[in-house]
Amino acid sequence: GAGVSQTPSNKVTEKGKDVELRCDPISGHTALYWYRQSLGQGPEFLIYFQGTGAADDSGLPKDRFFAVRPEGSVSTLKIQRTEQGDSAAYLCASKPGGMNSPLHFGNGTRLTVT
Amino acid sequence: GDSVTQMEGPVTLSEEAFLTINCTYTATGYPSLFWYVQYPGEGLQLLLKATKADDKGSNKGFEATYRKETTSFHLEKGSVQVSDSAVYFCALRGSSASKIIFGSGTRLSIRP
Repeated sequence: GAGVSQTPSNKVTEKGKDVELRCDPISGHTALYWYRQSLGQGPEFLIYFQGTGAADDSGLPKDRFFAVRPEGSVSTLKIQRTEQGDSAAYLCASKPGGMNSPLHFGNGTRLTVT
Repeated sequence: GDSVTQMEGPVTLSEEAFLTINCTYTATGYPSLFWYVQYPGEGLQLLLKATKADDKGSNKGFEATYRKETTSFHLEKGSVQVSDSAVYFCALRGSSASKIIFGSGTRLSIRP
């Protein structure tokens, strides 16, 4: 079946512009995670949704980063007034119910802020 | 807070060599532990997991044992292949949360 789909796969934007990143999880997966991965680093947790609600947003920078999942399926991560430090790969993962079920990752969106 | 520390790479080995990638963790309670792998051009995927102390996870010839006394979850394989070249990430889920945190990754390259 279809895996986790992230669009766009690459995004180049100018400093100060807003960007939106989209994640289509695997159908039926109730949990959805966003991570940020800088070059040579591990994924850094941003936010986790269970259904439509954000169950843990402790990693999301509060001022410019916003994430929603209004119908419990597709999620959008919006970054306002981008900065060069926002350049990274943004990874989305979904998983079915069950605390230790595996995360299924998409291929990520590589964001470059010039 | 919870954290994961894994050995820095890159690690370069010859085919059929023995592999160990070290991973230690800090967490309260009884976390679940995971190894994820990222092959070139692909997304991260689960390699193996262990959910309680002394459990051994295994897959594709890789093994890791959850050692609570040393807070470790080292990844091992007896005979590596060129196709094992990838980046390996140790990860944990805290006992009271669904947040999953990752180590910094270890790049493994296998020479034919």
